[in-house]
Amino acid sequence: AQKITQTQPGMFVQEKEAVTLDCTYDTSDPSYGLFWYKQPSSGEMIFLIYQGSYDQQNATEGRYSLNFQKARKSANLVISASQLGDSAMYFCAMIPYNTDKLIFGTGTRLQVFP
Amino acid sequence: SQTIHQWPATLVQPVGSPLSLECTVEGTSNPNLYWYRQAAGRGLQLLFYSVGIGQISSEVPQNLSASRPQDRQFILSSKKLLLSDSGFYLCAWKDRASGSYNEQFFGPGTRLTVL
Repeated sequence: AQKITQTQPGMFVQEKEAVTLDCTYDTSDPSYGLFWYKQPSSGEMIFLIYQGSYDQQNATEGRYSLNFQKARKSANLVISASQLGDSAMYFCAMIPYNTDKLIFGTGTRLQVFP
Repeated sequence: SQTIHQWPATLVQPVGSPLSLECTVEGTSNPNLYWYRQAAGRGLQLLFYSVGIGQISSEVPQNLSASRPQDRQFILSSKKLLLSDSGFYLCAWKDRASGSYNEQFFGPGTRLTVL
């Protein structure tokens, strides 16, 4: 079964430090897409970064980077230079091959402290 | 630029009452549209998606239904709400022409409480 696992229910990080949020996925599809979304307390889901399964390089978007290890089926999100505004829930998600359906993990709550 | 709207923002309804949540997208044509539900402290679960007017796919059996009467309008309905229908409902859209793996963009959500 296709599944996303986020094992860290909560993480703390000090402002200006880097933090890694873990994500592992389970699929036997030859091709898939991986996403990270941020959900602030307001509830909206904000797209952060995307990694395709055939992409050779790790995706980066500003302070966000995705540490993609295909053999381990992991897609960890790295946030560099954390800011107070980064405090939110973070969800890892996957679109399996030839579907249009995002499968979400249970999320990690990140709290950035001064 | 594209924007997605949902209303109402919050809703408190008694058990057994009907439901209608609306989602509209601006600034794009022929989008794929999605309804998700997020239970408290949980991830998102896909409920319905639509690739065109009148075309609805249901992902989970439930007492909810969806309709797409216009290209950029997506409606989530129920004839009789259950307590278990409480949650945060998010509508999302995706540019159909951009391929399977492009990101979905989410609306602000509707927080539904069934009492």
